[in-house]
Amino acid sequence: KQEVTQIPAALSVPEGENLVLNCSFTDSAIYNLQWFRQDPGKGLTSLLLIQSSQREQTSGRLNASLDKSSGRSTLYIAASQPGDSATYLCAVSTGANNLFFGTGTRLTVIP
Amino acid sequence: DTAVSQTPKYLVTQMGNDKSIKCEQNLGHDTMYWYKQDSKKFLKIMFSYNNKELIINETVPNRFSPKSPDKAHLNLHINSLELGDSAVYFCASSQVYRGGSVFGKNIQYFGAGTRLSVL
Repeated sequence: KQEVTQIPAALSVPEGENLVLNCSFTDSAIYNLQWFRQDPGKGLTSLLLIQSSQREQTSGRLNASLDKSSGRSTLYIAASQPGDSATYLCAVSTGANNLFFGTGTRLTVIP
Repeated sequence: DTAVSQTPKYLVTQMGNDKSIKCEQNLGHDTMYWYKQDSKKFLKIMFSYNNKELIINETVPNRFSPKSPDKAHLNLHINSLELGDSAVYFCASSQVYRGGSVFGKNIQYFGAGTRLSVL
């Protein structure tokens, strides 16, 4: 069964710093991997989706990489801002209708 | 316009009651989902419906019954609520493409969540 792990569970960085969030999954037979952002009391916002055939995706200051064979993904955030403070979740899809989520990394960017 | 909307946003009720959470999406998607996020913030899929047909039913007590009157709506009805049902419930939708690598483009869009508290 697919298990998704994210480390660290929480991270605090000063504003302007670059940072990396890690995600690992146990079954490499995935269709895609998504990174989400969750703000307190709010729903999830999809940030990036990497298809299994891709190695990375970029959106603005965000860059996500995927190494399917080793079961790893990273989310790189450049020049962090206080508005980036949120919980970041990664999720892998092993079929057309499911997502397996990690437990998230709670990011705090200190002004 | 809200793409995936859930109501209510907050629900406080007593043990043993029956309650429903509604979800609607205006994205024209074929597939809708219900997820449960527990106190440790772990999100787990409960149900998936494609064109009103149940696709996934994870290990969920049969007190939980999803109902999809049409492909734009997936409501969650919970009977005989228990303390352990307290959680945030998220609805989501996606357009699932058939065949080949296009499955990789299955982006799910989430509602804002319903925080259920069972007292």
